[in-house]
Amino acid sequence: DAKTTQPPSMDCAEGRAANLPCNHSTISGNEYVYWYRQIHSQGPQYIIHGLKNNETNEMASLIITEDRKSSTLILPHATLRDTAVYYCIVTNNAGNMLTFGGGTRLMVKP
Amino acid sequence: DAGVIQSPRHEVTEMGQEVTLRCKPISGHNSLFWYRQTMMRGLELLIYFNNNVPIDDSGMPEDRFSAKMPNASFSTLKIQPSEPRDSAVYFCASTLGEGYGYTFGSGTRLTVV
Repeated sequence: DAKTTQPPSMDCAEGRAANLPCNHSTISGNEYVYWYRQIHSQGPQYIIHGLKNNETNEMASLIITEDRKSSTLILPHATLRDTAVYYCIVTNNAGNMLTFGGGTRLMVKP
Repeated sequence: DAGVIQSPRHEVTEMGQEVTLRCKPISGHNSLFWYRQTMMRGLELLIYFNNNVPIDDSGMPEDRFSAKMPNASFSTLKIQPSEPRDSAVYFCASTLGEGYGYTFGSGTRLTVV
C-alpha cells in the first residue's frame, strides 16, 4: 500500500471549515483513499473514501487531486466534537488490511 | 444495530495469566480484524479473517498470541502467557467487504501487571 504523509497537528476555530491535507504521491491506479478518525478513548470511525472522484457524505467531503497524489478532507462546519486524530489511508484492495499511520491531531477551539 | 461488541471493556491481569478477548461483529459482515493500539506503536493490525478463515496473521507479535473465529458471529483473541508489554487497547473491527468502511468496537483496555 502507498505511504501517506499528514501534518501531525492542526487547529481549527469552531464553526469554520477544517481542511485536512494528505499526501500520497506513490498511490497507484487501483488504490483507494480512506479517511478515519479516532476520538479520545474510542475506536476509529470511518468517515469517507474515494478512488478518483470527489466524494461527499453527511460527515465530510473528500477532494482528490486530478493526479491523485494528494487529497483533502473537509469538515464544513467544525464543532468541538470533531476534535480527534484523523487518519488518511491508502489501500490497494478496496479497504481490507488498513494500515494506520500517525494521523493528524485536529483540535477544534471555541 | 448494536455495532461491533467487544468484551470485556477493561481487563487487568497478572503476568503469566491467560487472557481472552472477545468480539461479536456486525451481523452480515464477512471480514473481521483485530488491532492493537499503544502510544509507542499506534494502531497495528494483528490478524484478519474473511468468511471466518484467517487470511493474514503476519501482525501477530509472537506465538503467545492466537485468534479464532469459530463462526460468523464470534471471534476471540487469546494471549497465553501474558506479559506486561502486551498492555494496550485491543480493537476489533468488521466490514461488509470491498468498498465498505470498517466499523470498530469500543476496544478492550488490557493491563498486565
